[in-house]
Amino acid sequence: GDSVTQMEGPVTLSEEACLTINCTYTATGYPSLFWYVQYPGEGLQLLLKATKADDKGSNKGFEATYRKETTSFHLEKGSVQVSDSAVYFCALTSYDKVIFGPGTSLSVIP
Amino acid sequence: NAGVTQTPKFRVLKTGQSMTLLCAQDMNHEYMYWYRQDPGMGLRLIHYSVGEGTTAKGEVPDGYNVSRLKKQNFLLGLESAAPSQTSVYFCASSRGDQETQYFGPGTRLLVL
Repeated sequence: GDSVTQMEGPVTLSEEACLTINCTYTATGYPSLFWYVQYPGEGLQLLLKATKADDKGSNKGFEATYRKETTSFHLEKGSVQVSDSAVYFCALTSYDKVIFGPGTSLSVIP
Repeated sequence: NAGVTQTPKFRVLKTGQSMTLLCAQDMNHEYMYWYRQDPGMGLRLIHYSVGEGTTAKGEVPDGYNVSRLKKQNFLLGLESAAPSQTSVYFCASSRGDQETQYFGPGTRLLVL
């Protein structure tokens, strides 16, 4: 079945460091791909999305490119801030449902 | 425009008690979902609905029932709560199956 794999956390970075969170997927058909973010004590919210191969989603300095050839959708940011501390979920659409990865916890220290 | 709201925010139950969690959305979305989130397990889909009057099972449906009598509401019921159902429950809605999901703030449930 369809699935999402993402790097295990927790990840701890210093402010202004570069971030990459790896995400790979297995899917039949042509899914849409998402990154969701969950701040402490809140529900998930969409960070960015891409709906077809080679699309790049971007928001708040974060970027991810839909790579069909490597079945990947890695999340990147050039300079993280303390306010980016959260849990990040990679996800894909599968028929009527969305399949989420296990989440990667990011802590950014001043 | 409140988005997705969940009631209650927090609840403590004793084993064997029943309760209903209410999810409401004001975005006229067709699809609605119930998830549970447990440490180290990510989000797991319990049940979902693709329209008023329809429901379907997700990954972990046992011990839960749902109803979608009105388009804007999606109810999650626990008929006989068990400690294994201690979790944070999230409701979400979307316009369609390839669309962004919008999440509620969550309900923390503790079953003793």
